[in-house]
Amino acid sequence: GAVVSQHPSWVICKSGTSVKIECRSLDFQATTMFWYRQFPKQSLMLMATSNEGSKATYEQGVEKDKFLINHASLTLSTLTVTSAHPEDSSFYICSAREVRDLLSYEQYFGPGTRLTVT
Amino acid sequence: QKEVEQNSGPLSVPEGAIASLNCTYSDRVSQSFFWYRQYSGKSPELIMSIYSNGDKEDGRFTAQLNKASQYVSLLIRDSQPSDSATYLCAVRVIWGDLNFGNEKLTFGTGTRLTIIP
Repeated sequence: GAVVSQHPSWVICKSGTSVKIECRSLDFQATTMFWYRQFPKQSLMLMATSNEGSKATYEQGVEKDKFLINHASLTLSTLTVTSAHPEDSSFYICSAREVRDLLSYEQYFGPGTRLTVT
Repeated sequence: QKEVEQNSGPLSVPEGAIASLNCTYSDRVSQSFFWYRQYSGKSPELIMSIYSNGDKEDGRFTAQLNKASQYVSLLIRDSQPSDSATYLCAVRVIWGDLNFGNEKLTFGTGTRLTIIP
């Protein structure tokens, strides 16, 4: 149980285009999903927290107009990188917390999406 | 000062020996502590979680927490080559209503562990 998927697993796009990444909880409902970014040889950095049906909360320094997050259902959150530039190339990882287990301290991570902007 | 600090390594340990990984954190309101294993090019995998002072054992893994010293450690007994990976320490702070996602995991930069056959 507690499986989180991401699609695509990798994507290459041209500078200036937009890319959408999907994060799905496959066997549980998640009111809250988290988006992280990891640059090479660095740790995971939280970008934003998304709650189903409401606006995402972005970490300081993350541009909300560039990284659009939509959490339209209890099993799906999307991250759209708009007008991508080479410096946006990174490993994007989502995580989800099961809605029925409010006392659980575990976030389940997706397999990640590697974005390369040329 | 970084919120979560780890020795970046690399840490080399002979197969069968004990690997010891350390982590310190700066935020005293941190409530939950985690160790994740990350293989190159993959996402993190939860190894251990610990919430109260003392030791917690799970198979070959033992997590140790000392909140007074703001220190968390992970011991891996009988190290195997498959344990070679980067180990990330993470601390969580919760505030307000969890229904609104009022929690944050902060990760250290990780310690690269190599088990030598």
